[in-house]
Amino acid sequence: DVKVTQSSRYLVKRTGEKVFLECVQDMDHENMFWYRQDPGLGLRLIYFSYDVKMKEKGDIPEGYSVSREKKERFSLILESASTNQTSMYLCASSLFGGAADNEQFFGPGTRLTVL
Amino acid sequence: QKEVEQNSGPLSVPEGAIASLNCTYSDRGSQSFFWYRQYSGKSPELIMSIYSNGDKEDGRFTAQLNKASQYVSLLIRDSQPSDSATYLCAVTAGRRALTFGSGTRLQVQP
Repeated sequence: DVKVTQSSRYLVKRTGEKVFLECVQDMDHENMFWYRQDPGLGLRLIYFSYDVKMKEKGDIPEGYSVSREKKERFSLILESASTNQTSMYLCASSLFGGAADNEQFFGPGTRLTVL
Repeated sequence: QKEVEQNSGPLSVPEGAIASLNCTYSDRGSQSFFWYRQYSGKSPELIMSIYSNGDKEDGRFTAQLNKASQYVSLLIRDSQPSDSATYLCAVTAGRRALTFGSGTRLQVQP
């Protein structure tokens, strides 16, 4: 089974703090993704990465950056946290190519509150 | 217009009935289609994927795809209270990332 883990289930931070959210997958997947999920807005893509050190902006990248130094690990960084970044953050990974192309598997999520 | 549209619900069905969940998408080039189930407070869980027109069955679940009508559906037979969740439709639309609908909340009444 694919396992995607996230560093924290719940996180509380202050406005202006730098926040790191970590995600690790154990299935050697090429692709990794960060989404946020808000009531009424659904899942929105922040950034994704298709290879080590490669990244692409998603639909809502403003205020975020990412890092992928190793294939299994994808980090989301909030450079200066703001209250409108309070949300559920979900990491996902997928294989590229083959019968299971684009099937994404999610981690448990991190509920971030910015005060 | 949203790229992936779902009725938000709630869709309420009695236990044992068939639940029918629908999704439309706007990008005619979409190739891959997925249904995820999400329980309250949990992350989405992949339950079905479909890549070609027609039906795909897996246990009590059947996914149906009609690319000409840009329509994908999920049927849940013999619905159980444990099926009560939000069901998310997702499609690939020209990139590796998925585009998700906002989800349909299903309530199965005992």
